[in-house]
Amino acid sequence: QQQVKQSPQSLIVQKGGISIINCAYENTAFDYFPWYQQFPGKGPALLIAIRPDVSEKKEGRFTISFNKSAKQFSLHIMDSQPGDSATYFCAASDGGSQGNLIFGKGTKLSVKP
Amino acid sequence: KAGVTQTPRYLIKTRGQQVTLSCSPISGHRSVSWYQQTPGQGLQFLFEYFSETQRNKGNFPGRFSGRQFSNSRSEMNVSTLELGDSALYLCASSPYSVSYEQYFGPGTRLTVT
Repeated sequence: QQQVKQSPQSLIVQKGGISIINCAYENTAFDYFPWYQQFPGKGPALLIAIRPDVSEKKEGRFTISFNKSAKQFSLHIMDSQPGDSATYFCAASDGGSQGNLIFGKGTKLSVKP
Repeated sequence: KAGVTQTPRYLIKTRGQQVTLSCSPISGHRSVSWYQQTPGQGLQFLFEYFSETQRNKGNFPGRFSGRQFSNSRSEMNVSTLELGDSALYLCASSPYSVSYEQYFGPGTRLTVT
């Protein structure tokens, strides 16, 4: 049973455009929602994270939007650059009982120059 | 601070053999989690250790085991290797007693022939 569903699987965006990746979750006990960025041959790197008590969090060109009632959250990458080309994973955790991150399947982003 | 380090980075083993992977967390981090990453299944949680105690375990067979030492370093062992165990094994450390912010190492690429 996949608890975190991520879409799209792949995304091609022109340089300077906005990249949007969406995730939906099922478990209402989740209270921590991070996004990870992974380059080939590297481990995932924590990009940005949000708690359900806020609807939006912005760090530089990266923004998480969170909709608690819809159980959805998304990553927006503004002014996308070729260096942003990577695989992005959303995840969720309840911190306590499961004690681990549940990951989405990933989105491969390609930013064309 | 140095990041999470994993050794070895690459490993080739034969079916039926066993393997031990090592992880050194970020200094001061006491929680260590292990994940398996494959193209088909994505990132899947194996187990998590905190203060030398296994707190959580994912849905993997008993051939997968781990331990944590008093200095927070961790090892995972896979016995009787199968072809399907070929994967990138990732270690993540967290500064907290609950598994929210997790920082990943570069992984160990295991190939079983």
